[in-house]
Amino acid sequence: EVQLVQSGAEVKKSGESLKISCKASGYFFINYWIGWVRQMPGKGLEWMGVIYPGDSDTRYSPSFQGQVTISADKSISTAYLQWSSLKASDTAMYYCARHISGNFPFDNWGQGTLVTVSS
Amino acid sequence: EIVLTQSPDTLSLSPGERATLSCRASQSVGSSFLAWYQHKPGQAPRLLIYGASDRATGIPDRFSGSGSGTDFTLTISRLEPEDFAVYYCQEYGGSHRTFGQGTKVEIK
Repeated sequence: EVQLVQSGAEVKKSGESLKISCKASGYFFINYWIGWVRQMPGKGLEWMGVIYPGDSDTRYSPSFQGQVTISADKSISTAYLQWSSLKASDTAMYYCARHISGNFPFDNWGQGTLVTVSS
Repeated sequence: EIVLTQSPDTLSLSPGERATLSCRASQSVGSSFLAWYQHKPGQAPRLLIYGASDRATGIPDRFSGSGSGTDFTLTISRLEPEDFAVYYCQEYGGSHRTFGQGTKVEIK
């Protein structure tokens, strides 16, 4: 069974750093892109970027380029989303999701990680 | 970057009624790389439709997708109680895979 299991909720202060994770199981990790999607409170889904763990090729939405870093450790089938300096506006639910290489949609999603940043 | 505009923002319907959701793209979506997702509160989004009209595994046949180019439609033929949710379209043909802003299907 394909599973993407995300790390637990985080409560942080503005200016702090954070790295959240998405552990994959049930499929060949390096054959699928892993993406991150933000949902701010009361808002819609926003595509942040993706990484291909096979070669670490990473693509970012222009809106998130330079604001976050997406990485992956294929030895433990885990993808990461990290911030070096959080802002209150980073408060949101973050989902990871996978899609196979090529033009395919996200077919499996993690359960989400709620990040709360206080000022 | 393609911008997707969904309409309406909210659809108020009763169980058993037909729901028609629209997704319009700012430029042509190549090869119909358009997907629809269902998202319920407290749950992960679920893929419903890909390739504009192909149902994902396990999706009931009351869900159907159509369209090409810049205009796409998701139709729910007869709403079941579990279908009340927010629906998003997404284009996935380019490097940046934008979502529409969502349509909420609520109980009337």
